[in-house]
Amino acid sequence: AQSVAQPEDQVNVAEGNPLTVKCTYSVSGNPYLFWYVQYPNRGLQFLLKYITGDNLVKGSYGFEAEFNKSQTSFHLKKPSALVSDSALYFCAVRVVHGSGNTGKLIFGQGTTLQVKP
Amino acid sequence: DSGVTQTPKHLITATGQRVTLRCSPRSGDLSVYWYQQSLDQGLQFLIQYYNGEERAKGNILERFSAQQFPDLHSELNLSSLELGDSALYFCASSVGSGQGLSSYGYTFGSGTRLTVV
Repeated sequence: AQSVAQPEDQVNVAEGNPLTVKCTYSVSGNPYLFWYVQYPNRGLQFLLKYITGDNLVKGSYGFEAEFNKSQTSFHLKKPSALVSDSALYFCAVRVVHGSGNTGKLIFGQGTTLQVKP
Repeated sequence: DSGVTQTPKHLITATGQRVTLRCSPRSGDLSVYWYQQSLDQGLQFLIQYYNGEERAKGNILERFSAQQFPDLHSELNLSSLELGDSALYFCASSVGSGQGLSSYGYTFGSGTRLTVV
């Protein structure tokens, strides 16, 4: 079965420190991987995606993610965290099976990032 | 403003009732996806429509139904409501359903918060 796992319910970091939010996936076929962020009472906002190419993907607000096929991981990173980065982060995967692709995203359970001043 | 409009933003209704949630996709997007976000289940894919036709079905209850109209807006109908249906319901849109994925993957609306009392 296709799935996405975010092993940490919450990640706490101090402002200015690097942050990592973990994501692993299990799919058949080639994965399209995404990170979204959700602020309170708001919809999900796109951060970045991996489709193909360079394993290090750069996205919005200084975030980046590293695709690791052997470890089936797509961890979200930022070199220096800001208090305003505090939010709920979702990893998602869409599987491409050629003509069988439906376009739906499978989301992880989400990780709450808390950045303290 | 993401370009995806969901109405109403909040809805409070009694058990056994029926409600309709509405979604207008981003201009030019043909696919509409419905997701349910609850504390215990995370983000669950319900159903996808592409250019008026149902394309994929997820964990959608038989009491729930959806449709996409010729102007591409979509409605999610929830009937015989139960307390457990209380959740945030998101609509997302994308350009295509298959290989054609916009740069942002999916664009999410800000959601409809349904409270069943």
